[in-house]
Amino acid sequence: AQTVTQSQPEMSVQEAETVTLSCTYDTSESDYYLFWYKQPPSRQMILVIRQEAYKQQNATENRFSVNFQKAAKSFSLKISDSQLGDAAMYFCAYRSEGETSGSRLTFGEGTQLTVNP
Amino acid sequence: DAGVTQSPTHLIKTRGQHVTLRCSPISGHKSVSWYQQVLGQGPQFIFQYYEKEERGRGNFPDRFSARQFPNYSSELNVNALLLGDSALYLCASSTFRGTEAFFGQGTRLTVV
Repeated sequence: AQTVTQSQPEMSVQEAETVTLSCTYDTSESDYYLFWYKQPPSRQMILVIRQEAYKQQNATENRFSVNFQKAAKSFSLKISDSQLGDAAMYFCAYRSEGETSGSRLTFGEGTQLTVNP
Repeated sequence: DAGVTQSPTHLIKTRGQHVTLRCSPISGHKSVSWYQQVLGQGPQFIFQYYEKEERGRGNFPDRFSARQFPNYSSELNVNALLLGDSALYLCASSTFRGTEAFFGQGTRLTVV
């Protein structure tokens, strides 16, 4: 079974600065997807960024980028120019490419990000 | 287009009772998955349904069941509620092999 570990229960950053959230995972598979989801107080899970394991290039979405180290099974999220609206719980998630059940996600425990003005 | 909708948004039940939670997927999405998120933890996979058939089940007791209707909406049923069933229940829809799951705002269930 796959596991996802987020070792930082809480992180804080000053507005306009950069913060990196860590995630490691364990799998014996070679094809899979990794995601970062954001969950604000409204509770709705919002996709921030995704990475296909077969792609060597790190994914980027505006101020959000990842550092994907497949051999180390590490998948960190970097948020640049942090904004007050970035404050939320962030979850790292794994999905197997070979998973016949389609979109089953395995989540980490989450990192609560606070953005200070 | 409407996103994933879940009802009700909040509910309070007594131990031993039964509860039904509902989910309507995004139009065109035929896959619905259910997750349980206990306070302070990440979501845990309960079920996935596709084309009205169960396609995956997480490590949950038989008190949990679900079904999917011809219009692809879904119900999650929990029997003999325990205090530990108190959680946020999230529904997600996607195409079957879609790389992105779209989540609803969840149903907050409190068992007293």
